[in-house]
Amino acid sequence: GAGVSQSPSNKVTEKGKDVELRCDPISGHTALYWYRQSLGQGLEFLIYFQGNSAPDKSGLPSDRFSAERTGGSVSTLTIQRTQQEDSAVYLCASSPPTATGELFFGEGSRLTVL
Amino acid sequence: AQKITQTQPGMFVQEKEAVTLDCTYDTSDPSYGLFWYKQPSSGEMIFLIYQGSYDQQNATEGRYSLNFQKARKSANLVISASQLGDSAMYFCAMGRLGQGGKLIFGQGTELSVKP
Repeated sequence: GAGVSQSPSNKVTEKGKDVELRCDPISGHTALYWYRQSLGQGLEFLIYFQGNSAPDKSGLPSDRFSAERTGGSVSTLTIQRTQQEDSAVYLCASSPPTATGELFFGEGSRLTVL
Repeated sequence: AQKITQTQPGMFVQEKEAVTLDCTYDTSDPSYGLFWYKQPSSGEMIFLIYQGSYDQQNATEGRYSLNFQKARKSANLVISASQLGDSAMYFCAMGRLGQGGKLIFGQGTELSVKP
């Protein structure tokens, strides 16, 4: 499809395990973002990749969270030693090289930590 | 620091009527953008409308318009001729110009359209 693709759509894991969430942005979009949405809340910025520049990691909540973007396209968000408070929907978005910053979101990966 | 406030957790509107969803913001940046996104029950965030801080006219996109009052720091979304498919969560968001889609979001307003 032509939209932002995320996998898995649902992930249940045990506390202490590591998880990887994948995002495939829209072709030609130079910017990629990860956001987190806890139940009933707004979105919380996590990390932002723009082209070949160093990522803006200012929203990552702890050093257990990391992300990489390979070849300027697919991105993986990794959460190590998951905690129950990590349970949320993780949304990926991409945007074209325009000034307004309009985001195109995927459908998210719902993470449940037991 | 930037902040977005949406004071209406839930709103009801009759089909075919207009509805206004409130959003106020706080920022010390001179250049910023304001956004509205719709999140249906499927979970996907859908971009609706954008207003730049230097734009002189209120933004419009089809049935959506943004009532931008810079001095009052408000950016209310107006939906005209509501449709059943408009039932969803609506989020107001703000970002610094030049920082692309690095946005802060409000808590959202759940809109229900009654037939």
